[in-house]
Amino acid sequence: GAGVSQSPSNKVTEKGKDVELRCDPISGHTALYWYRQRLGQGLEFLIYFQGNSAPDKSGLPSDRFSAERTGESVSTLTIQRTQQEDSAVYLCASTPNTGGTETQYFGPGTRLLVL
Amino acid sequence: AQSVAQPEDQVNVAEGNPLTVKCTYSVSGNPYLFWYVQYPNRGLQFLLKYITGDNLVKGSYGFEAEFNKSQTSFHLKKPSALVSDSALYFCAVRDIRAAGNKLTFGGGTRVLVKP
Repeated sequence: GAGVSQSPSNKVTEKGKDVELRCDPISGHTALYWYRQRLGQGLEFLIYFQGNSAPDKSGLPSDRFSAERTGESVSTLTIQRTQQEDSAVYLCASTPNTGGTETQYFGPGTRLLVL
Repeated sequence: AQSVAQPEDQVNVAEGNPLTVKCTYSVSGNPYLFWYVQYPNRGLQFLLKYITGDNLVKGSYGFEAEFNKSQTSFHLKKPSALVSDSALYFCAVRDIRAAGNKLTFGGGTRVLVKP
């Protein structure tokens, strides 16, 4: 079946502009995660949606970052007034439910470059 | 708090030789441990995980990992490396006592398998 998909695959923007990144999780997956991967570094957790519960936003680096998810479907990560330090690959993952033993399945990522 | 360390930025190995990628973790409770692999310009692919039970876990592509509680380690191994194993490898941990399901990732280890 289809995996996690993300769009766009690449995004180049100017400093100060807003960007929206989209994630389509695997159909039926309850939980959805966003991570950021800076060049040459590991993944940083950003936000976690867990079914109908309040999202865990503890990893969002500033109030310029926000994310939404409608039900158990698509999620959008929005970065307002982008800065050069926001340049990174943004990865989305989903799991079938919210159990802690679940394997996270990752999308291919969106490579964001802020000029 | 949960954390992961991958002490080697890069591992070089000749094709056909054993491959080991090191990972140590720190959690306050018991860990769930994961290994992922990332090929160039692609998302993370799940290799294997330790939840409970046998300390030796077998995963995809001939990889295995051994959970060692006393040494707080979860090293990834492959008996005979292939050139196609060249990629970036990430270890991740989740403390079963921690709220939420976010994973903490190590900084990654680049594996280069030479013919």
